[in-house]
Amino acid sequence: AQSVTQLGSHVSVSEGALVLLRCNYSSSVPPYLFWYVQYPNQGLQLLLKYTSAATLVKGINGFEAEFKKSETSFHLTKPSAHMSDAAEYFCAVTTNTGNQFYFGTGTSLTVIP
Amino acid sequence: EAGVTQFPSHSVIEKGQTVTLRCDPISGHDNLYWYRRVMGKEIKFLLHFVKESKQDESGMPNNRFLAERTGGTYSTLKVQPAELEDSGVYFCASSALDSTYNEQFFGPGTRLTVL
Repeated sequence: AQSVTQLGSHVSVSEGALVLLRCNYSSSVPPYLFWYVQYPNQGLQLLLKYTSAATLVKGINGFEAEFKKSETSFHLTKPSAHMSDAAEYFCAVTTNTGNQFYFGTGTSLTVIP
Repeated sequence: EAGVTQFPSHSVIEKGQTVTLRCDPISGHDNLYWYRRVMGKEIKFLLHFVKESKQDESGMPNNRFLAERTGGTYSTLKVQPAELEDSGVYFCASSALDSTYNEQFFGPGTRLTVL
């Protein structure tokens, strides 16, 4: 089975500061990893995904994530936070033998002006 | 291209009542999934359709929940009778049958409140 742990249910950063949202996964087979973002009153939007190609994955809105197998991590980063980044972020794992996604509990990001 | 749509966006019902949620997947997507997020917890899988067939319903909490996908297009999720613990946000997602990485596209969710 697979699982995801997101450390920090709430993260606050100043505008222009580095954003780091943590995600650790557990999977007995090679995983596919995803980050989704949910803006207020909207659905889940795909930010980026890792599918066993490059370990550093670039996504939309300046976000990127690095797959580290040795650390079983897939942390999400952005060099400079923008006010529009305020949202809830979800990390998810699936595999090529499964269909369902396993999500973390989400991290709510607040950007302070 | 229209995304995944869900109706209603919000529903407030009393304990014991019945509610039906609807999901329209992206046209041509044979995979359809239902997930639920109870407040403060993770988004959890409920079930998976391939066309009109239930592929995996291991996440359905109990027999008060009934999902259907007649004709392999839209899907409904009925809760009857609703209990307080059923409150949460219900997400629907769809993906193409030949999607290599099973990338799922999510709808905006239905927020269900049971009083």
